[in-house]
Amino acid sequence: SYVLTQSPSVSVAPGQTATITCGGNRIESKSVHWYQQRPGQAPVVVVYDDRDRPSGIPDRFSGSNSGNTATLTISRVEAGDEADYYCQVWDGGSDQVVFGGGTKLTVL
Amino acid sequence: QVQLVESGGGLVKPGGSLRLSCAASGFIFRDHFMGWIRQAPGKGLEWISYISSSTIHTNYADSVKGRFTISRDNANNSLYLQMNSLRADDTAVYYCARESGETARGCVDVWGKGITVTVAS
Repeated sequence: SYVLTQSPSVSVAPGQTATITCGGNRIESKSVHWYQQRPGQAPVVVVYDDRDRPSGIPDRFSGSNSGNTATLTISRVEAGDEADYYCQVWDGGSDQVVFGGGTKLTVL
Repeated sequence: QVQLVESGGGLVKPGGSLRLSCAASGFIFRDHFMGWIRQAPGKGLEWISYISSSTIHTNYADSVKGRFTISRDNANNSLYLQMNSLRADDTAVYYCARESGETARGCVDVWGKGITVTVAS
């Protein structure tokens, strides 16, 4: 089955840029969705289809996907961005949805 | 407003069964693929199952295949998950999930608040 790999944690100071990566074999051929999950809450999609943002998500959140790595970039990080972030794809070969293991973003 | 509300969770013994329900409101339920996603305590998100809008297509994660059954009632805007042969590692918060339908497959644009299932003797 398809595997998505994320680093367990990323730390960044307020106002700086956070980069969260998601690795997968030829992930560029898939559409990647990103979710933010704050403690005790359900996840919320922050980027879908590699780089699109739902309404209400600040343009500080952006996504890209190339080669074997998809990336979620959060610019001008704020304390409220501290959360777990998950990447997700649909694997057509198995017709299954796959999540990455999640990355905990800590705002210093 | 668009809403998903889960029910049916609780404490069950290993080997037991439980049926989760999800009541949908605020949108045209029959137009959307639906699914279940779970999160074990302190762990990440795990996709469990999806069902197509017409109920023709379903699929399951390998971890639950043969034990769990997803179904839906479009007339009553409801999604279900029948869980049999439950094990301790099925202990998790279970989320009802709506696939967007306007994006690539798999994107969940509406989540329920989640319901806790605990499997313990």
